[in-house]
Amino acid sequence: DADVTQTPRNRITKTGKRIMLECSQTKGHDRMYWYRQDPGLGLRLIYYSFDVKDINKGEISDGYSVSRQAQAKFSLSLESAIPNQTALYFCAIAEGGRDEQFFGPGTRLTVL
Amino acid sequence: GESVGLHLPTLSVQEGDNSIINCAYSNSASDYFIWYKQESGKGPQFIIDIRSNMDKRQGQRVTVLLNKTVKHLSLQIAATQPGDSAVYFCAESWDTGRRALTFGSGTRLQVQP
Repeated sequence: DADVTQTPRNRITKTGKRIMLECSQTKGHDRMYWYRQDPGLGLRLIYYSFDVKDINKGEISDGYSVSRQAQAKFSLSLESAIPNQTALYFCAIAEGGRDEQFFGPGTRLTVL
Repeated sequence: GESVGLHLPTLSVQEGDNSIINCAYSNSASDYFIWYKQESGKGPQFIIDIRSNMDKRQGQRVTVLLNKTVKHLSLQIAATQPGDSAVYFCAESWDTGRRALTFGSGTRLQVQP
């Protein structure tokens, strides 16, 4: 089984809709991250969390919010989706004290 | 591995040759570097990492070289195979607080049989 799972894998929605992307992990790692990837570009950090009570903004947090419901779950919400939020979204995990991050399979989101 | 917007730099090699993928990183204070491989439709996959107190690290068929003087990182893949075809990203980290990665824009490696 995969260490990091993301649901849904694909989603098409309309402008103005609220969308939630979910991430779950089985490794028990403290740190979780949400990144966005646009075509031909690297990943950019949206939000990150070091534990259930610790939520921090990344470089591109505007228009997004997150919830760390449990150590294993980290959800990303788009409160009112807009077309320029069409992208691939990746969740990553990292063990406390280590720098390498391990990524989920991604969610492809299309906002019409 | 410099960004050119939507058009990824592409490296085309013959199967069995060695590949060298380059990356210019942005922050002289970065102390950790990592290479990822991303295949179509998948998330980035860890390949190898290196800390700034080293200039070379070897893995299985891969070597990462770090030149801090010119802020340059390279990934060498020995005996490149068709399964190595993918987009390769370098990433750097300098923020010991959040320990987040800052990614380059990637290089596409195409292996010709």
